[in-house]
Parts: sequence; C-alpha cells; structure tokens
Amino acid sequence: AQTVTQSQPEMSVQEAETVTLSCTYDTSESDYYLFWYKQPPSRQMILVIRQEAYKQQNATENRFSVNFQKAAKSFSLKISDSQLGDAAMYFCAYRRDNAGNMLTFGGGTRLMVKP
Amino acid sequence: DVKVTQSSRYLVKRTGEKVFLECVQDMDHENMFWYRQDPGLGLRLIYFSYDVKMKEKGDIPEGYSVSREKKERFSLILESASTNQTSMYLCASSLGTRNTEAFFGQGTRLTVV
Repeated sequence: AQTVTQSQPEMSVQEAETVTLSCTYDTSESDYYLFWYKQPPSRQMILVIRQEAYKQQNATENRFSVNFQKAAKSFSLKISDSQLGDAAMYFCAYRRDNAGNMLTFGGGTRLMVKP
Repeated sequence: DVKVTQSSRYLVKRTGEKVFLECVQDMDHENMFWYRQDPGLGLRLIYFSYDVKMKEKGDIPEGYSVSREKKERFSLILESASTNQTSMYLCASSLGTRNTEAFFGQGTRLTVV
C-alpha cells in the first residue's frame, strides 16, 4: 500500500519570504502522480500543483514550485513571496496511474504567514 | 466551474442514529469519493464509486455504506452513528479518464454526541 508522510505538522513564514513544505511517499509503482492541495479556513480543497512521475522537469505554477526527487521519493513544495492568503493546511497526495483517480493523502502541514 | 455540493456544513447527531450525508456534483463526473479528514491523519478514503450503482471500499469502510442511484449524487450512510465517527467528511468527484483533477465539496463537520 502507498503511504504519504508530511513530517512538519506546522510551519510559519514571514510575509514575502520563501518556505518549503516537505513530503515523502512510499510506492513500488513506476508511474504515478503527485499533488499538493491547499485547504484554507473555508475548507474548500484547492489543487495547487501536480507532477507526473514520468516527467523529470519540476512543475511550477506562478509562486509555487516543486522539487521532485523520484529516487528519494520526495516531493517538496516551495512557496515564494509568501502572501497572507497562503495561510492554510497543505496536503501532499499520491495517485497511481489508473482510472480510479483515488488519492492517498499525507497528514497535512498547517502553514502560518506572519505579516 | 465544477461544483461539488454537500448538503450540510455542520451536523450534530445522537449515538445510534442513522445519518445520511449527501453530495451532488454538476459536471457529469463518473467518479465520486467520500473521504474522512482527521487532524494529523489527513484525508482517508471511505468509499468510492465509478458509475451508477457501483461502489468500492476504500481504506476505512467499516461502519459506513454508500448509495449512488443517480450519476450526480453520492450518499454516505452511517447506519448507527458512534462517537468515533465524529469527523470532517469531504466528498469529491472526477472524470473517469486518467490524469484528471479531483474536485472537492466544502465538507460536512459531523459531531456525534
């Protein structure tokens, strides 16, 4: 079974600074997808960024980028120029390459942004 | 925009009651999911459905059942609610094809007293 681990229950960052959230996963599959979801206080889960395992290039979405290390099974999220609106729970998630689209989530990291 | 709507944001039920959590999506998605969210544990899959009347168990199905009579609606049923089912419940949906995004509802915070 796949497992996803987020070792940082809480993180804080100063506004405009950069922060990195960690995620490791365990799988025997070679093809899969990795995701970072954001859950603000409104509770609405929002997809931040996704990475296909077969792509060597790290995904980026504006201020959000990932460091995907397939051999190390590591998938960290970097948030640059942090904004107050980035404060939320962040979940790392894994999905096998099949039609089921089932996600396996990590335990989450609460990010606080200090003004 | 895809919309996944859960019928209640907050729910308080008594131990032993039968509880229905309803989820409706408006984008003709084949797949629908029920997750349970607990602090430190993230989201855990309870059940999912890939078609009408089809269902499969997820990681923690004990104490729950589901119903999908129409494509747009997926119900989670707690046959006899217990205090250890106090949690946040999140519904999600996605297309049936590969590599598609899952869209989530806003969650139902259920308290069983």
